[in-house]
Amino acid sequence: QKEVEQNSGPLSVPEGAIASLNCTYSDRGSQSFFWYRQYSGKSPELIMSIYSNGDKEDGRFTAQLNKASQYVSLLIRDSQPSDSATYLCAVNILGGSARQLTFGSGTQLTVLP
Amino acid sequence: SAVISQKPSRDICQRGTSLTIQCQVDSQVTMMFWYRQQPGQSLTLIATANQGSEATYESGFVIDKFPISRPNLTFSTLTVSNMSPEDSSIYLCSVEGRYGYTFGSGTRLTVV
Repeated sequence: QKEVEQNSGPLSVPEGAIASLNCTYSDRGSQSFFWYRQYSGKSPELIMSIYSNGDKEDGRFTAQLNKASQYVSLLIRDSQPSDSATYLCAVNILGGSARQLTFGSGTQLTVLP
Repeated sequence: SAVISQKPSRDICQRGTSLTIQCQVDSQVTMMFWYRQQPGQSLTLIATANQGSEATYESGFVIDKFPISRPNLTFSTLTVSNMSPEDSSIYLCSVEGRYGYTFGSGTRLTVV
């Protein structure tokens, strides 16, 4: 079982729609969860972090965390073509003696004009 | 968030040679992380570098192949040694900040 799993996509949505990205993780002790956006040929850019159960909103982005279900999601409202990128879910997972950031495989999102 | 300067941004190297990648952070950080991103794949942690101690390597990565230096709290290097075409990847350094982890701009390595 992978430590961090994402719906691999690719995902296509029309401009203006809501894009929903999902992620599950295996370590029940995880406390920190992140969503990164990565444009082709660029390094990952942090767009959301979430630490507590519930929703966290930042502009058009909403992160949702459910620790009981070991599930974290990202909603992008009013999707724009500029949102087309790969979205990476990352979780701080206990590895060896220290926590380390572990990434899912990424979901490629295309927003169609 | 910390700002990381990573270089080189890209290089094409002959097999059997070595390449050293540098990361400079604009603030002092305890740990720096080195990742590899193979073509079309996600990020895989290579090692964690603490200042003043040996780096901690993840399963599948060894010091002889990926030696790391961490001479102070703002700088680290990763060397890819005795390269083969399978080492062609993007290599990224990262640090933890207040709101999450920040990444350098990456080094795109092609081994021919």
